[in-house]
Amino acid sequence: AQRVTQPEKLLSVFKGAPVELKCNYSYSGSPELFWYVQYSRQRLQLLLRHISRESIKGFTADLNKGETSFHLKKPFAQEEDSAMYYCALNSGAGSYQLTFGKGTKLSVIP
Amino acid sequence: DAGITQSPRHKVTETGTPVTLRCHQTENHRYMYWYRQDPGHGLRLIHYSYGVKDTDKGEVSDGYSVSRSKTEDFLLTLESATSSQTSVYFCAIREQGDGHNEQFFGPGTRLTVL
Repeated sequence: AQRVTQPEKLLSVFKGAPVELKCNYSYSGSPELFWYVQYSRQRLQLLLRHISRESIKGFTADLNKGETSFHLKKPFAQEEDSAMYYCALNSGAGSYQLTFGKGTKLSVIP
Repeated sequence: DAGITQSPRHKVTETGTPVTLRCHQTENHRYMYWYRQDPGHGLRLIHYSYGVKDTDKGEVSDGYSVSRSKTEDFLLTLESATSSQTSVYFCAIREQGDGHNEQFFGPGTRLTVL
């Protein structure tokens, strides 16, 4: 069965400091991974898809199959980055179900 | 916002009463999903639909039923609400097309069961 682990419930960094939000997954097939962001009391928004390898709002994430990780990184945190971040794994089955991690709350200190 | 709306946005109800939440989409997406979001649990899939009248259970389906009689509407029903069903409920659609497996979410419904 697939599983997504986000080991940090809360991560606090100072403005301008680098950020790394960890995500590890467990899946026997070829994974498809996503990062979603949720600002206070808003809907979840897609931040990144691993297959597109793009940078959104300065965030990047690289899939490391050897370490089964998909960590989210940003070199310089901004106050507006404060939000809840979820890593999600597509099971690859016909239902296209996503399995979510429990989320990491990022707090950027001014 | 991928044309997804949810109603109601907020609801307070009493234990034992039936509750129906509605998800409406305007872009003819085939796949629709219902999740609940709880602190410390992230998002968990309740039910999903892969077409009109085609639905299946997710991870936490007990106490919930769904219906999809039209492409644009996916209803989630709590037959007899319990306090453990107090949560924020999100509907989502799957973007269609080759290589697109990401989901887009509605604004959520905050349900409180007293």
